[in-house]
Amino acid sequence: GQNIDQPTEMTATEGAIVQINCTYQTSGFNGLFWYQQHAGEAPTFLSYNVLDGLEEKGRFSSFLSRSKGYSYLLLKELQMKDSASYLCAVRDLYNFNKFYFGSGTKLNVKP
Amino acid sequence: GAVVSQHPSRVICKSGTSVKIECRSLDFQATTMFWYRQFPKQSLMLMATSNEGSKATYEQGVEKDKFLINHASLTLSTLTVTSAHPEDSSFYICSARPGPSSGNTIYFGEGSWLTVV
Repeated sequence: GQNIDQPTEMTATEGAIVQINCTYQTSGFNGLFWYQQHAGEAPTFLSYNVLDGLEEKGRFSSFLSRSKGYSYLLLKELQMKDSASYLCAVRDLYNFNKFYFGSGTKLNVKP
Repeated sequence: GAVVSQHPSRVICKSGTSVKIECRSLDFQATTMFWYRQFPKQSLMLMATSNEGSKATYEQGVEKDKFLINHASLTLSTLTVTSAHPEDSSFYICSARPGPSSGNTIYFGEGSWLTVV
C-alpha cells in the first residue's frame, strides 16, 4: 500500500519562508515530486528528488531523505500568488508514469 | 511544449445518464495516460491507467464497469462515467508523459468538473 502524509493547511506571511513536510511509506520508490495546484486547476510540476539531498530551483527547494521516508518543499520570499495547494507525490517503482499523491497542503499567504 | 488537453472542462448531467470526458495529447504520442479523481479539498486519487490498444488497468476499489476507459489512439483517451450518480460529482484529471527524452515531467490536462444532478 501507499501512505503519503502532509499537513492539511499552513499559513505564512508574504516575504517569509515556509517549509512543507511530506512523509511517505510506500511499497516502492522511484522519486518524489512536488506539484502546485491552484483551486479548480490541474497540478503543475515544481520539483523532483530521487537521491538524498537538496534540489534548488529559484525560490523553491526540495529535500529528500530516503532512509527516513521524508521530504520537504521550501518556499522562499513568499508571494501572494503562492497561495495554493502543494501536493507531494511518489513515483511507482515499476511504472515511471504512475504516481501516488498525498492529500495536499493548502498554503495561505497573508500580507 | 507538450500539452495535454481535456474536454469538456465542465459538464452537468442528470442522474442515470452517461458522460464522456476526453483527454488528448496535443503534440506528442502517449501510449499510456492516467486518470485521476479529486474530491473537494482532497488530493488526486489515481483511478486507472489507460493503455493504447489494450484494456485499462484499474486501481483497487474503482469500478471498471462504471468508469469505462478507451484509449483508441496514441493521442486520445476517453473516460465514460456510466449511470452517473450525484456521488460521482468530482474533478477528473488526466495525465500523460511524452517519453523518456522529456525527463521527469508529466503533464496534466486542465481537468473536468462533473456535476451530477
